[in-house]
Amino acid sequence: GAVVSQHPSWVICKSGTSVKIECRSLDFQATTMFWYRQFPKQSLMLMATSNEGSKATYEQGVEKDKFLINHASLTLSTLTVTSAHPEDSSFYICSASGTFTYEQYFGPGTRLTVT
Amino acid sequence: SQQGEEDPQALSIQEGENATMNCSYKTSINNLQWYRQNSGRGLVHLILIRSNEREKHSGRLRVTLDTSKKSSSLLITASRAADTASYFCATVQNQGGKLIFGQGTELSVKP
Repeated sequence: GAVVSQHPSWVICKSGTSVKIECRSLDFQATTMFWYRQFPKQSLMLMATSNEGSKATYEQGVEKDKFLINHASLTLSTLTVTSAHPEDSSFYICSASGTFTYEQYFGPGTRLTVT
Repeated sequence: SQQGEEDPQALSIQEGENATMNCSYKTSINNLQWYRQNSGRGLVHLILIRSNEREKHSGRLRVTLDTSKKSSSLLITASRAADTASYFCATVQNQGGKLIFGQGTELSVKP
């Protein structure tokens, strides 16, 4: 099956710094990637949808200047949390879908802790 | 925004028993999917049921879909301790569109 990786798997950063999370599709070309965040004991909330080579589409309430998404190639999307604050601490999960399949394949997630 | 409501929020059963989780949604859909998430891990896709299907099976999993009631159920038969996880339903309005997740059911299967 299709494999999606995320890096890092966990990260701790200080308040005010920026953190970049990578999402890679390892064995297929991901024309669309999705970014979700999940707080403890809660469901996944879609943050944004990105198509390769295009600007990301953000969900209502998600600050696009704070959560920068880049999808420059068919195998890589990055999410940068800028000027992170403790309330940004969360589990960030990406998913990817390919040209010939609409099924989304999920990465293992990245746990971000902002101190 | 969340579309789905799931119940129960938490379910605790003994190994060997069946577990049933329900999901309701608000808008018309193209398909509905069920996922499993072990604590602190990513999601595992379990099964997809299309809007023109009423029931689907995969191993010990049985999913039903009632579009008139905008609801779906996931039945896990002969549960095992390894089935302990959170289970989420997710709807897709248009083919290739975004997934909207329900609140999830936390299942605990005691050996």
